[in-house]
Amino acid sequence: GENVEQHPSTLSVQEGDSAVIKCTYSDSASNYFPWYKQELGKRPQLIIDIRSNVGEKKDQRIAVTLNKTAKHFSLHITETQPEDSAVYFCAASIRLSGNTGKLIFGQGTTLQVKP
Amino acid sequence: GAVVSQHPSWVICKSGTSVKIECRSLDFQATTMFWYRQFPKQSLMLMATSNEGSKATYEQGVEKDKFLINHASLTLSTLTVTSAHPEDSSFYICSARPGLAAFGNTGELFFGEGSRLTVL
Repeated sequence: GENVEQHPSTLSVQEGDSAVIKCTYSDSASNYFPWYKQELGKRPQLIIDIRSNVGEKKDQRIAVTLNKTAKHFSLHITETQPEDSAVYFCAASIRLSGNTGKLIFGQGTTLQVKP
Repeated sequence: GAVVSQHPSWVICKSGTSVKIECRSLDFQATTMFWYRQFPKQSLMLMATSNEGSKATYEQGVEKDKFLINHASLTLSTLTVTSAHPEDSSFYICSARPGLAAFGNTGELFFGEGSRLTVL
């Protein structure tokens, strides 16, 4: 079945440092890879996403890279701030039918940014 | 962005009772909605894909008779936890994605606020 592996499970960095979270996926047909940030007790919020026809995407301090051959993708956060502290989830989209796909999530990474 | 609303946000019930959770897409039509369950400090586990006008598709290991899903309209899907037990206590989150004609169809999945179920 479809599987998404995420590492590390916890990550602690000093404010201003960079943070990198890595994910691998099993289904080679996956074509959409979003990253979500979830604060305690709240819904996941999309922070960045990438499609399979692109190798890298950047949005201010956040970037995502995708290696389709190796079936892995990574989230990079630069100049981390305490408000970046949250749980981050990667996901891979498994196509259902037409234009619909279901998202399978990684296990999550708890990021702590120390002031 | 698109708005998905979920109700109730939290519910406490006695063991053996049934609980219904509603998921609404407020500003777009959703032929497909997804139900996830999240235990404390764990990931979002896909339970089922809710299809408007047809039966839901359940993930392996999810009991369809336990978790009843009804997607009666293009803006509403409901999840009913039947004969709830303490082990069903969890955070249930629905999600939906606008179609081609709405919100530029970026592929982004929008989540409801989540419903925290506690079964005593």
